[in-house]
Amino acid sequence: KAGVTQTPRYLIKTRGQQVTLSCSPISGHRSVSWYQQTPGQGLQFLFEYFSETQRNKGNFPGRFSGRQFSNSRSEMNVSTLELGDSALYLCASSAEGQEAFFGQGTRLTVV
Amino acid sequence: EDQVTQSPEALRLQEGESSSLNCSYTVSGLRGLFWYRQDPGKGPEFLFTLYSAGEEKEKERLKATLTKKESFLHITAPKPEDSATYLCAVQDQAGTALIFGKGTTLSVSS
Repeated sequence: KAGVTQTPRYLIKTRGQQVTLSCSPISGHRSVSWYQQTPGQGLQFLFEYFSETQRNKGNFPGRFSGRQFSNSRSEMNVSTLELGDSALYLCASSAEGQEAFFGQGTRLTVV
Repeated sequence: EDQVTQSPEALRLQEGESSSLNCSYTVSGLRGLFWYRQDPGKGPEFLFTLYSAGEEKEKERLKATLTKKESFLHITAPKPEDSATYLCAVQDQAGTALIFGKGTTLSVSS
């Protein structure tokens, strides 16, 4: 069974630009969550999608947004990038009420 | 507010030297407590889920236990390949988000 796939693995962007990250969940998983991981703050929840609807949202500014498609694939977008947005962005998928499985992450560097 | 605190931040062990990692939590109704292992540059790898006080789960050299306020990850006779960061997370009854601790970085030397 294929795991959670995130693309791209690495990104370098300039301040002020926007970026879109992609996540393909494990087959059959309808819940997709996004997390930001930084050395100082650790893993922090961004948002969760289930059946194309945002079901939960963390405490991040509106520059961070996401969506989920009918095949459960998800994308997250960050607009007007800031240096502090440099982080490892992790996607996790789960079956309803079950444990979450994480992808390898996208390493975003903002210069 | 849900909160997770892990200790110690870092732990160095000799191969074969058993020890325990601690995860203290505050949550408004625990839905589940999760342990993950994370290697550098990779995503967290799921290890265990614990749902109620008194529950225990085992996998190879690892054993996770749960009380009403904390969880322990016991590592018996560790090997160098057990070196990683171990993350603890809780999920409350109301939400779907995982609240993570900062992790314990374990180094096992031969």
